[in-house]
Amino acid sequence: SQQGEEDPQALSIQEGENATMNCSYKTSINNLQWYRQNSGRGLVHLILIRSNEREKHSGRLRVTLDTSKKSSSLLITASRAADTASYFCASGGYQKVTFGTGTKLQVIP
Amino acid sequence: GAGVSQSPRYKVAKRGQDVALRCDPISGHVSLFWYQQALGQGPEFLTYFQNEAQLDKSGLPSDRFFAERPEGSVSTLKIQRTQQEDSAVYLCASSENRETPLHFGNGTRLTVT
Repeated sequence: SQQGEEDPQALSIQEGENATMNCSYKTSINNLQWYRQNSGRGLVHLILIRSNEREKHSGRLRVTLDTSKKSSSLLITASRAADTASYFCASGGYQKVTFGTGTKLQVIP
Repeated sequence: GAGVSQSPRYKVAKRGQDVALRCDPISGHVSLFWYQQALGQGPEFLTYFQNEAQLDKSGLPSDRFFAERPEGSVSTLKIQRTQQEDSAVYLCASSENRETPLHFGNGTRLTVT
């Protein structure tokens, strides 16, 4: 079973718009990570936020973490067609890193 | 600087056959993970190695699944007596340690007929 869930399951936006994806997880974590997966490929790490951090930025990405609600969000600003992919959150525990169910993002040119 | 390499890229097995899937992690990476990903789903944790020690195998679905990393580098995931429900993409990932991001291979797509 998955450790967490992403919301929404699918998201379709126009190029230039912002995309927001949410993630909920179940157990306590050391960190939370976001990954991207293009069809037929492995996952690529985007950003890691530690359990004592609340917000982190990297380029067009902004991640927030609320450990009291066991939730995180990923914001992609000024989306591009090349951002079309599936996005997964991953909660990092002591030894396991477990993934959510993913959000499938489509950015329409 | 090669990334994580997995082979074969695709594997078709008849039900009941044994298969072996190989993972070459990034050199020097201590942590190695195996995941199973069904179509349209997120990766499901199978097992975790720190160097040659298998510290967590709680995600292995049955005793038909076996993983090893004898010298703390290359890892092999073996599935005995494959069943149709084993059909999935098997992903390997490595990291410098358990606190750092994972680097994934492109996976092995296993189809059991």
